[in-house]
Amino acid sequence: QSALTQPASVSGSPGQSITISCTGSSSDVGSYRLVSWYQQHPGRVPKLIISEDSKRPSGVSSRFSGSKSGNTASLTISGLQAEDEADYYCCSYAGDDRLWLFGEGTKLTVL
Amino acid sequence: EVQLVQSGEEVKKPRESLKISCEGSGYNFGTHWIAWVRQMPGKGLEWMGTVFPGDSDTRYSPSFQGQVTISADKSINTAYLQWSSLTVSDTAMYYCARHGFGNSGPDFWGQGTLVTVSS
Repeated sequence: QSALTQPASVSGSPGQSITISCTGSSSDVGSYRLVSWYQQHPGRVPKLIISEDSKRPSGVSSRFSGSKSGNTASLTISGLQAEDEADYYCCSYAGDDRLWLFGEGTKLTVL
Repeated sequence: EVQLVQSGEEVKKPRESLKISCEGSGYNFGTHWIAWVRQMPGKGLEWMGTVFPGDSDTRYSPSFQGQVTISADKSINTAYLQWSSLTVSDTAMYYCARHGFGNSGPDFWGQGTLVTVSS
């Protein structure tokens, strides 16, 4: 069962914007409006920051936004802050056979 | 407030059995799928499987089918993950997480249960 493909690492300077991609297939990312994104700081529990492709849960900063085109979903973080340095994971529903898949994870470094 | 509280850290030997738990509160436990997610040391998140406490319907990732058993007891708002025979490669942090409505991804997470398997 293949994980969704994410870049291993991305970096940016404070105030800049970065985008993390999450590539799947027409059987998962491309078929459902059900991509979620999670932020995980070292030693901490993952936190939901985007659900259903682009919905931001209550309490999540508006600097986080989600989008999708075809089989690739994207997470954009604008106005980078030091506290954004963390690992980010995408997750997609993949139908009744495979159910849910996580991405490989992306380490964000704020320079 | 939605909360998922997991059982404590476990240290086990190979071939031992283990059952860890996840107790939900602050919502109707029977109406949301509960997932189990593995995170091996220094690695990413892996979705293992999920249970719907309302009717105990259970689904597994092909990668974990036959390796673990997932169950739930709606009467005490608790989901479980169990192994019949642990191996050292089962050493990991295990999270339970509540799925949102429909087929949404996990929205609330437990604090994690660290399982260490060593001879």
